[in-house]
Amino acid sequence: RKEVEQDPGPFNVPEGATVAFNCTYSNSASQSFFWYRQDCRKEPKLLMSVYSSGNEDGRFTAQLNRASQYISLLIRDSKLSDSATYLCVVLNQAGTALIFGKGTTLSVSS
Amino acid sequence: GAVVSQHPSRVICKSGTSVKIECRSLDFQATTMFWYRQFPKQSLMLMATSNEGSKATYEQGVEKDKFLINHASLTLSTLTVTSAHPEDSSFYICSARRQATLNTEAFFGQGTRLTVV
Repeated sequence: RKEVEQDPGPFNVPEGATVAFNCTYSNSASQSFFWYRQDCRKEPKLLMSVYSSGNEDGRFTAQLNRASQYISLLIRDSKLSDSATYLCVVLNQAGTALIFGKGTTLSVSS
Repeated sequence: GAVVSQHPSRVICKSGTSVKIECRSLDFQATTMFWYRQFPKQSLMLMATSNEGSKATYEQGVEKDKFLINHASLTLSTLTVTSAHPEDSSFYICSARRQATLNTEAFFGQGTRLTVV
């Protein structure tokens, strides 16, 4: 089983749609989780950290289910500018490096 | 503004030559920096962890003699691709975290797109 697995998509949605991305991780001892966004040919940038209680930032909601080793990202009212690749990221057990999923590609159209 | 600066952003080199990529943390000291490689439509793959003042830790399958890492100061790590071949063409990205706490964001350099011809 890969350390971090994501559905690669692509997800093609119209503006205003709600879309959800899922991610699973293999190491139950992982403690920190993040969603990063990567635009084409650019470096990744932090979108939000994921906390056990779940957290929301505007149109974005992240949730963590430790029992199922599952992380999700929900985007409401999609904008054209949300088109990007969303990377599920897990801090390794030693706490020394970030492990990336392959990313889920989102394309929002008008 | 960027807190991790990577240089050069793009390089084209001949097969057999060596290329050095620099990664600098601009406003914090980074005892540890990370080097990733990303092939088209693939995820970022961790190559190695660069430790200031000591040897880098390489991931399985990454040749330490081919990808030389030097972390001579708390703000600078370099990756040298030695005897580059076309299959080394990729997007190389460095990153650093401000502090070694669990939820500290990692900052990334702008990446270096290496093309070996």
